[in-house]
Amino acid sequence: AQSVAQPEDQVNVAEGNPLTVKCTYSVSGNPYLFWYVQYPNRGLQFLLKYITGDNLVKGSYGFEAEFNKSQTSFHLKKPSALVSDSALYFCAVRALNSGNTPLVFGKGTRLSVIA
Amino acid sequence: DGGITQSPKYLFRKEGQNVTLSCEQNLNHDAMYWYRQDPGQGLRLIYYSQIVNDFQKGDIAEGYSVSREKKESFPLTVTSAQKNPTAFYLCASTPLTVPGDYGYTFGSGTRLTVV
Repeated sequence: AQSVAQPEDQVNVAEGNPLTVKCTYSVSGNPYLFWYVQYPNRGLQFLLKYITGDNLVKGSYGFEAEFNKSQTSFHLKKPSALVSDSALYFCAVRALNSGNTPLVFGKGTRLSVIA
Repeated sequence: DGGITQSPKYLFRKEGQNVTLSCEQNLNHDAMYWYRQDPGQGLRLIYYSQIVNDFQKGDIAEGYSVSREKKESFPLTVTSAQKNPTAFYLCASTPLTVPGDYGYTFGSGTRLTVV
């Protein structure tokens, strides 16, 4: 079975400081990993994905994520947080060899960037 | 512009009433999904469809029904059997031409409230 854990319900960071939103996963075999962002009363927007290749993936709005196979983690990072980054962030996974099974989403982490 | 449209944005349901949420996409995507979002519970899969006239139950299908008569459309009916339907409903789609290589495109959601 596939699963995703986002251990923090809420992350608070001061504007200009680096931010990290944590994600760990469990799949059989190699994973496809995704990060999405959700603003209030809106759908999810794609930020970045890891399929294969470099462990450091760069995405939209200056976000990046580091894939760590040994720790089964895919933490989202940004060097300098903006107030406008405040939103709900979701990590998602599916196994590479699972056909077209749906993505499994974490419960989400609310990021609050304080000016 | 290509995209995925959910309507209505807000919907109110009386006790014992069936309501239907619309989801339409013009992206020529093969697969479509319905998720339910509740605070603190992330996204839970209700139903999904990878081909016209075929669909599969997700984790919380009880009290819901779907149809996929056209590739572009995947309406969700919330029946009176769903005892706690108040939630934010999200529709998503993805192509299957390169399996697993694409993230989902999400609609803007429908907020359903029981009155």
